[in-house]
Amino acid sequence: DAGVTQSPTHLIKTRGQQVTLRCSPKSGHDTVSWYQQALGQGPQFIFQYYEEEERQRGNFPDRFSGHQYPNYSSELNVNALLLGDSALYLCASSFFNEGGYTFGSGTRLTVV
Amino acid sequence: AQTVTQSQPEMSVQEAETVTLSCTYDTSESDYYLFWYKQPPSRQMILVIRQEAYKQQNATENRFSVNFQKAAKSFSLKISDSQLGDAAMYFCAYRDSTDRNAGNNRKLIWGLGTSLAVNP
Repeated sequence: DAGVTQSPTHLIKTRGQQVTLRCSPKSGHDTVSWYQQALGQGPQFIFQYYEEEERQRGNFPDRFSGHQYPNYSSELNVNALLLGDSALYLCASSFFNEGGYTFGSGTRLTVV
Repeated sequence: AQTVTQSQPEMSVQEAETVTLSCTYDTSESDYYLFWYKQPPSRQMILVIRQEAYKQQNATENRFSVNFQKAAKSFSLKISDSQLGDAAMYFCAYRDSTDRNAGNNRKLIWGLGTSLAVNP
């Protein structure tokens, strides 16, 4: 079953560094959304990509950027890391014109 | 702005018993979707059940059912015959419908979650 694959599973970075997280969507899905889940919180929407364009964006600073490739895979980039960026980053894929999301198991980012 | 509130940080239930998790939300929209997701220690969000606001009938999926009260903006989840594998974080989520550019894939707005323990 080609579900949503996220890499890496865990990551430790130093404050001020840059990080790239990767997501491969479920086979056939063309849309990727990214969420940040801080410890003890519900997920917060970062942005969504479709047709290699950012279609929706949540209330996150420009330090958070993304990309979608022609094969629908996606990257989340965070620059100038802050301690507060420590969280679980979840990727969800779907068809653009349907509402069903499939989530990955996330990347646990720790900023020290 | 839409908000989702889960007022029970932790709940526990005996195996084979029934438990109800509460969720309230706030919106000015008339057409929207509501979801319950389960997040086990594996961290993957798993869809438990979804409800379409224009449908009056409460959604049911095997042992899981909802009590959807649109006027009260309440959306509770009932788990019957609880099993040890039901232990997890449960999140209530609302699908935002304010951005028409995003087709049907509008962002999800989440509650803080309820941690459910199942006692043998």
